[in-house]
Amino acid sequence: GAVVSQHPSRVICKSGTSVKIECRSLDFQATTMFWYRQFPKQSLMLMATSNEGSKATYEQGVEKDKFLINHASLTLSTLTVTSAHPEDSSFYICSAMHGATDTQYFGPGTRLTVL
Amino acid sequence: AQSVAQPEDQVNVAEGNPLTVKCTYSVSGNPYLFWYVQYPNRGLQFLLKYITGDNLVKGSYGFEAEFNKSQTSFHLKKPSALVSDSALYFCAAKVSGNTPLVFGKGTRLSVIA
Repeated sequence: GAVVSQHPSRVICKSGTSVKIECRSLDFQATTMFWYRQFPKQSLMLMATSNEGSKATYEQGVEKDKFLINHASLTLSTLTVTSAHPEDSSFYICSAMHGATDTQYFGPGTRLTVL
Repeated sequence: AQSVAQPEDQVNVAEGNPLTVKCTYSVSGNPYLFWYVQYPNRGLQFLLKYITGDNLVKGSYGFEAEFNKSQTSFHLKKPSALVSDSALYFCAAKVSGNTPLVFGKGTRLSVIA
């Protein structure tokens, strides 16, 4: 149990285009999901907290108009990187809060490369 | 501010030997403590957690960790390391509820055959 999926696992796009990443909790409902970014050989950097049915809470320094987060249901949150630039290339990881166990479960990550 | 420290960037251990990956935390109130493992180009896999109860918690793949309140530590241990344990290990903490986890910088474990 407690499986989180992400799609796509890998995406390559041209500069200026938008990319949507989906995060799904497959066997539990998650009112709260989190989006992280991980640079090579570094720890995870929290980008935003996504709450079902309400606006996401962004960490300081994260542009909310560039990284659009939608949490429309209890099992799905999406992150859209708008007008992508090469510096947005990174590994994006989502997690979903399993309320009954108070544990975050993580998706497998999405490798974004912007050319 | 809350923080988690993993003082070792790299830990090397011979297969079959015990391993320890260190973690200390600074959290106001009662901490919720977690260990995750990350394999290359993958997300994080949950290993174990401490919320309350016994200070020694057992988790997946034979790992365990001991909560030490006086030393504010939560070191990860395994009695006998396997080559397949080689990965990046993250310690994380939070206060409660739906608050985000605060992560340590990670420790790369290398188990040598």
